[in-house]
Amino acid sequence: NAGVMQNPRHLVRRRGQEARLRCSPMKGHSHVYWYRQLPEEGLKFMVYLQKENIIDESGMPKERFSAEFPKEGPSILRIQQVVRGDSAAYFCASSPTTDNYGYTFGSGTRLTVV
Amino acid sequence: GQQLNQSPQSMFIQEGEDVSMNCTSSSIFNTWLWYKQDPGEGPVLLIALYKAGELTSNGRLTAQFGITRKDSFLNISASIPSDVGIYFCAGPSTDKLIFGTGTRLQVFP
Repeated sequence: NAGVMQNPRHLVRRRGQEARLRCSPMKGHSHVYWYRQLPEEGLKFMVYLQKENIIDESGMPKERFSAEFPKEGPSILRIQQVVRGDSAAYFCASSPTTDNYGYTFGSGTRLTVV
Repeated sequence: GQQLNQSPQSMFIQEGEDVSMNCTSSSIFNTWLWYKQDPGEGPVLLIALYKAGELTSNGRLTAQFGITRKDSFLNISASIPSDVGIYFCAGPSTDKLIFGTGTRLQVFP
């Protein structure tokens, strides 16, 4: 019974390219959360999704960033035209219900923009 | 917005020592959680607290939900090398968790 699966673990992109980060939640979990962690910093909330719906995107930058959680398949965090400041670890977490805060996290995707 | 401040920011201790860290907020929380992040990995839930004054243990870890509901404490007894990592407190804000600034723990043999 796999946990939260994120891929790739490491991603290198040149400035201006697109980055696609994937997250498959735990089986039975329909709530997905994305967080960003800059080097030497804490976890910053980005977006909360349920199947086919964005529930809370208050932490998402207004431009270049988008997220989806389709009916079938993993959740995707997409960053267009990446810049050096996008370099960070991006973590996905899932939970079975809205009021269960014991999130299960994936191992993260470490994005490096060169 | 709500913020969670953790102290100390970092700790360097010797194996066998006890560790105490805390988390404070400017607003009230009804749930407090403590996570640990190993180097290169995602955070893992250690302890969840649901009631003011609650004291909960998980092995060598003990956490308390402050009476004011604006703080929480985590203690680690008899530290071992694998306790190394970053410890985060977290609390619910609207529909998601927000995380504290973290306490980095380094344990020397």
